[in-house]
Amino acid sequence: RKEVEQDPGPFNVPEGATVAFNCTYSNSASQSFFWYRQDCRKEPKLLMSVYSSGNEDGRFTAQLNRASQYISLLIRDSKLSDSATYLCVVNRYNQGGKLIFGQGTELSVKP
Amino acid sequence: GAVVSQHPSWVICKSGTSVKIECRSLDFQATTMFWYRQFPKQSLMLMATSNEGSKATYEQGVEKDKFLINHASLTLSTLTVTSAHPEDSSFYICSASSGSPDTQYFGPGTRLTVL
Repeated sequence: RKEVEQDPGPFNVPEGATVAFNCTYSNSASQSFFWYRQDCRKEPKLLMSVYSSGNEDGRFTAQLNRASQYISLLIRDSKLSDSATYLCVVNRYNQGGKLIFGQGTELSVKP
Repeated sequence: GAVVSQHPSWVICKSGTSVKIECRSLDFQATTMFWYRQFPKQSLMLMATSNEGSKATYEQGVEKDKFLINHASLTLSTLTVTSAHPEDSSFYICSASSGSPDTQYFGPGTRLTVL
């Protein structure tokens, strides 16, 4: 079983749709959580950190449930420019701060 | 701020040759640099972690004699793929951190194609 698992994609949605990504992690020692965005043939870029209290940045809302070891990302009013692969990432401090990446979920927003 | 560069951005080489990839932190001192590999349609896999002035720590399954990592200064780490073979063709990405393990700044990646 992979340490970080995400919804298999791709997600194809129309502009303006709300889309939710789910992620689970298996190692309870994980201490920091992130969503990254990766465009085709580019490096990943930090979208947002995820906190237990939940956090929002504009159209993006991230949630963390430590008890269920579950992370989510909600994108509201999706734009064409949101098309990318979204990576769920956890950091395990007890192994020197390694970032463990999920396999990513591809999002394609259509006009 | 916090810019990381990689060079070259892409390289094509013949099987059996060695390829060196440079990773530089341009505006900060990177105490730790990380090297990742990403195959098509797959996620980033950490290959090794390097700290300035010390030997790199390799992940399980990564051959240290094949993937040579040197982190000679606080702004430069290099990855050398020795005796490259077609199965080494991949997207190699470095990241740099100046302290907090949560904050890694990624380079733009190097696309390696071995013929």
